[in-house]
Amino acid sequence: NAGVTQTPKFRILKIGQSMTLQCTQDMNHNYMYWYRQDPGMGLKLIYYSVGAGITDKGEVPNGYNVSRSTTEDFPLRLELAAPSQTSVYFCATGERMNTEAFFGQGTRLTVV
Amino acid sequence: AQSVSQHNHHVILSEAASLELGCNYSYGGTVNLFWYVQYPGQHLQLLLKYFSGDPLVKGIKGFEAEFIKSKFSFNLRKPSVQWSDTAEYFCAVNAGNNRKLIWGLGTSLAVNP
Repeated sequence: NAGVTQTPKFRILKIGQSMTLQCTQDMNHNYMYWYRQDPGMGLKLIYYSVGAGITDKGEVPNGYNVSRSTTEDFPLRLELAAPSQTSVYFCATGERMNTEAFFGQGTRLTVV
Repeated sequence: AQSVSQHNHHVILSEAASLELGCNYSYGGTVNLFWYVQYPGQHLQLLLKYFSGDPLVKGIKGFEAEFIKSKFSFNLRKPSVQWSDTAEYFCAVNAGNNRKLIWGLGTSLAVNP
């Protein structure tokens, strides 16, 4: 089993460009999360989903959008990229509420 | 608001030294507690977790943590660290009916050979 797969691993964007970070899981977990990680700032939750068709904002949703049309996929969309969105992005899944999270390998995004 | 505090931001140890990383949380009810590790350039992996039962939890690679409810703490320990333990360590808490994990800011551990 692949677990949680994120693509791409690295990306450089120009200011104002858009892109979609892909996240796919084969663990059949209902819960999926997008985090960003900045040095010394820990993990900040961007969006999360408790099942197909259901998404909700986390701590830092501005500048991002998500969708959850299937259990497996939870893409994160960046519209009009800004330098402040330079970060490492992690997708994670969980079987249900109150259980551990399983992380993907991350996407390192630089906006210049 | 629920929060998680990790007291040590940077820790430097020599190999074979003992390790204790502090984690405190603010929530008075039932909690699920986690320690994750992130090796350089890698994703987060679960070290250990506490849901209920014995408050002394053993995890992978010789790590353990003790849940002390009266102190709202879940400190991570290892009797003798190795160079390969160099990593960032995150404490996380899931409290009550919260759908999300609350994360500490992390502790960066450097072990000198």
